[in-house]
Amino acid sequence: GENVEQHPSTLSVQEGDSAVIKCTYSDSASNYFPWYKQELGKRPQLIIDIRSNVGEKKDQRIAVTLNKTAKHFSLHITETQPEDSAVYFCAARIQGAQKLVFGQGTRLTINP
Amino acid sequence: GAGVSQSPSNKVTEKGKDVELRCDPISGHTALYWYRQSLGQGLEFLIYFQGNSAPDKSGLPSDRFSAERTGGSVSTLTIQRTQQEDSAVYLCASSTDRGRETQYFGPGTRLLVL
Repeated sequence: GENVEQHPSTLSVQEGDSAVIKCTYSDSASNYFPWYKQELGKRPQLIIDIRSNVGEKKDQRIAVTLNKTAKHFSLHITETQPEDSAVYFCAARIQGAQKLVFGQGTRLTINP
Repeated sequence: GAGVSQSPSNKVTEKGKDVELRCDPISGHTALYWYRQSLGQGLEFLIYFQGNSAPDKSGLPSDRFSAERTGGSVSTLTIQRTQQEDSAVYLCASSTDRGRETQYFGPGTRLLVL
């Protein structure tokens, strides 16, 4: 079955700097890759997603890139702000299935 | 509109007791998922319901875990003879089946087995 590895497990950056979180997946049939943000004590919320037919997607300060050949995708947050502090999860979905397989999460801390 | 709701928000039980966790998905969402999140860990898939199809139970960790979805809406996750290792946050999510895969999560039920 699909396996998703996420790195790093923790990341600390200065406010205003960029943060990058990387995920790799094992099943080449995966075609949908969402990213969720979970603030302390709250539910995970979708922040951005990408499908396998595109290589990059941007939404203001957030971008996701996908390399199908290498089977990895990354989340990029620019001009980080304190409210970006949270746990971020990547996930992958195999074509034809609804189930998402999640990475282990990255705890991002933005230092003022 | 209303989001995914779950009840109870917190549950403390004694080892060996049975518990039932409830999930109310977003109205009109035909897909419903249960996940388990242990302290500081990722989201572990448990079970998935899609319309009238047979559920995908491949993530249930043991036969003590079961779930049902009545009338294609509300779902109940049941854990029998609870163990301390069952302590976790149980999250429910729902999505449509119309080509949009976004899963909307509920607030979760925090289960503590003493």
